[in-house]
Order: sequence, then C-alpha cells, then structure tokens
Amino acid sequence: DIQMTQSPSSLSASVGDRVTITCRASQGITNYLAWYQQKPGKVPKLLIYAASTLQSGVPSRFSGSGSGTDFTLTISSLQPEDVATYYCQKYNSARLTFGGGTKVEIK
Amino acid sequence: QVQVVESGGGVVQPGRSLRLSCAASGFTFNSYGMHWVRQAPGKGLEWVAVIWYDGSNKYYADSVRGRFTISRDNSKNTLYLQMNSLRAEDTAVYYCAKGYCTDGMCPIHRWGQGTLVTVSS
Repeated sequence: DIQMTQSPSSLSASVGDRVTITCRASQGITNYLAWYQQKPGKVPKLLIYAASTLQSGVPSRFSGSGSGTDFTLTISSLQPEDVATYYCQKYNSARLTFGGGTKVEIK
Repeated sequence: QVQVVESGGGVVQPGRSLRLSCAASGFTFNSYGMHWVRQAPGKGLEWVAVIWYDGSNKYYADSVRGRFTISRDNSKNTLYLQMNSLRAEDTAVYYCAKGYCTDGMCPIHRWGQGTLVTVSS
C-alpha cells in the first residue's frame, strides 16, 4: 500500500508569514492528491484536489503544487483563521490514504 | 444544500456489533460514491471504507476488512456501516462522507458531523 508522509507534523508561524507543508507518497500517484483543512472541533473541509485545483470558495492564499511523489500546500500569508490541522490524501486507487497531518499554529 | 447525518454511535463492549447509518439529502445520492472515515480521539484521519454509487464495488482499510461491511440503500438515500467484532482500537468518531464522483477514486467533497463509537468494557 502507498504511504503518505507529511512534514512537519506541526509548525508555528506569524500572521502574514508564508507557510509550506510537504506531503510525500511512497510511490507515484501522478496528481491524485487532495488537501483538507480541519479546524479545532470541526469537520474536515476540502481545500485542493488534483494537486493544485482550488476548491470553490477557498481563499486564494491557499495553493497546491507537485506531481508524482512530492507535493506541497502553501499558505501565502497566514491568517488567524488558518489555525487548523492540514491533511493530504491520495486517491489514485479506491483505498484512500491520509497523511498524518500538520498542525498549524500562530506564533 | 448537501447534507449527510450520521447516527447509531454509542458505547459497546469489545467483541460486540454496532450499525451506523448516514442519511443523505441535498444531492442525487445514487450518483456518488460514499465513504466512511474515522478519527480516534486526538488522532488523525483514517479512511475506513468506500462503496460505489450503485453498490457494485466496495473497498476496505486493512484494519477493518473482514469485520466491517459498508452498504447503501439508494431508495432510502442512506449509507450504512455494519461493525462486527469491535475492538478498543475502533474507538473513534466515524464520519460519513460524500465523494466527488461516482466511484471511490476521487476526493471527499462533504463530511457529516460524525458519530462517536466507544468500545469499552
């Protein structure tokens, strides 16, 4: 089975900072990669799919890139409302797999 | 609007069974793959199972295969998860989730609020 590894597991940054989260697949998954945001006490929300396509309604400060095995989620200017745990997920097969999550906090 | 509402969670003893239900509304239920995803207390997301839009294909995580069964009743717009031989490590919030397409090979579009399953003696 393909494993998804996220790094870092947590980070602390200042408002306005550029934040980058990495997700690595143990095998190539072309661009079958989604990113989700889960705010404290809330359900997950789809941010990005097909590695770089922004879901409708998601602020443009979020962006995704990558293909194959290495992917990145970038928040161009961190806002207080972005405090959350972010998960990547591969969907190149029916057995979906999530990464371990990256917890983002404000410094 | 798209809505999925889980029910059936609770406290159950190890080795016993429980059936979760998920009532869907606001979309054409029989046109989308549906998933169950769980989250143990303080832990990350774990995908559990998926069923194709027409029930023709079902896939499971290794951790639940042989014990859990996903099913759907398109006439009732309802998704189910039959959980047998429950273990302490199955304790989690179980989310019903709508896929973005007819089969399982697509992102999860919408999530329910979840139902808590606690396996404890």
